[in-house]
Amino acid sequence: RKEVEQDPGPFNVPEGATVAFNCTYSNSASQSFFWYRQDCRKEPKLLMSVYSSGNEDGRFTAQLNRASQYISLLIRDSKLSDSATYLCVVNKDNQGGKLIFGQGTELSVKP
Amino acid sequence: EAGVAQSPRYKIIEKRQSVAFWCNPISGHATLYWYQQILGQGPKLLIQFQNNGVVDDSQLPKDRFSAERLKGVDSTLKIQPAKLEDSAVYLCASSLFLDRGHEQYFGPGTRLTVT
Repeated sequence: RKEVEQDPGPFNVPEGATVAFNCTYSNSASQSFFWYRQDCRKEPKLLMSVYSSGNEDGRFTAQLNRASQYISLLIRDSKLSDSATYLCVVNKDNQGGKLIFGQGTELSVKP
Repeated sequence: EAGVAQSPRYKIIEKRQSVAFWCNPISGHATLYWYQQILGQGPKLLIQFQNNGVVDDSQLPKDRFSAERLKGVDSTLKIQPAKLEDSAVYLCASSLFLDRGHEQYFGPGTRLTVT
């Protein structure tokens, strides 16, 4: 079983749509969770951290369910500029800085 | 603030040749990471430095890969000899603190093709 698994993509949605990405992790001791965004042929960049209570940043909402070891990212009112690969990331075993990346889910927003 | 710098941006070599990548992290960042990203996969950590000491190199193929960060700033990653399966993007990242929950800043990567 992979340490971090994401929905296989790609997701093709029209502008204005709401889209949700799901992610599961295998290590119950994991403490920190993130969503990174990676544009085509570019480096990953932090999109948002994920907190136990859930958190929102504009059109983006991240949720964490520790009992189910499940993380989600919801994007509302999709824009063309949201087209990218979204990487689910887990800090493994509470070890400083060791991030485990999922394989990514590609999103393509069409006009 | 300048970001993480990497060079070269692209490299094509034949199998069994050697190659080296260079990284200059963000000024003041104590922690430096090298990742390998194969097409269609997420980045995989190869080695992590705190200043000039190795924190984690458990996933570094030590028979062919080596890395150093001699003065706690710049770092080099070397592959010798290269194999076809080493074709990937090699990403360097840095962070301010060795701590959970921090943000890692990535460089643009070096795209390696082994023929």
